[in-house]
Amino acid sequence: GENVEQHPSTLSVQEGDSAVIKCTYSDSASNYFPWYKQELGKRPQLIIDIRSNVGEKKDQRIAVTLNKTAKHFSLHITETQPEDSAVYFCAATGTSYGKLTFGQGTILTVHP
Amino acid sequence: GAVVSQHPSWVICKSGTSVKIECRSLDFQATTMFWYRQFPKQSLMLMATSNEGSKATYEQGVEKDKFLINHASLTLSTLTVTSAHPEDSSFYICSARDHHRGTDTQYFGPGTRLTVL
Repeated sequence: GENVEQHPSTLSVQEGDSAVIKCTYSDSASNYFPWYKQELGKRPQLIIDIRSNVGEKKDQRIAVTLNKTAKHFSLHITETQPEDSAVYFCAATGTSYGKLTFGQGTILTVHP
Repeated sequence: GAVVSQHPSWVICKSGTSVKIECRSLDFQATTMFWYRQFPKQSLMLMATSNEGSKATYEQGVEKDKFLINHASLTLSTLTVTSAHPEDSSFYICSARDHHRGTDTQYFGPGTRLTVL
């Protein structure tokens, strides 16, 4: 089955700096890679996703890059703000019914 | 659009009792729903995939007789934790795929916090 590794487990940045979270996956058949933001006690919220036929996708301050050859994808947050502080999860899926395998999560703290 | 609700949001029960959690897609039809469990400071672990009108598919290590899943309609899936014990205390979250959008995007419910005394 799919295995997703996520790094770092914790990330602390100053407001305005950029943050990068990286994930690797094992199943070369995986073709959909979403990123979720989860605040304490809340549901995961989809913030951006990318499919295997695209190498990069951007949405305002958030961007995701995908390297299919190396089987890794990354989340980039620019101009970080304190409200970006949360746990971020990457995930991957390759099956037709959309079963997601999640990474271990990254606790992002943005200091004012 | 794409709203998923869960009920209850939290429940406290005595050891040995059963607890039912409902997951509903409010504004779309979901042929497939997923049930996850999340322990404190950990990631989401898929428990089972729930398909409308058929038996659920359980992940390795998840007891199907303990975690009963029913997906009787395109908008409702239920998870029943039978004979709950303290080690079952966790945050249970469901998600649903929008069938008509034909995408892989999963929309998550708000979660149910189960505490077994």
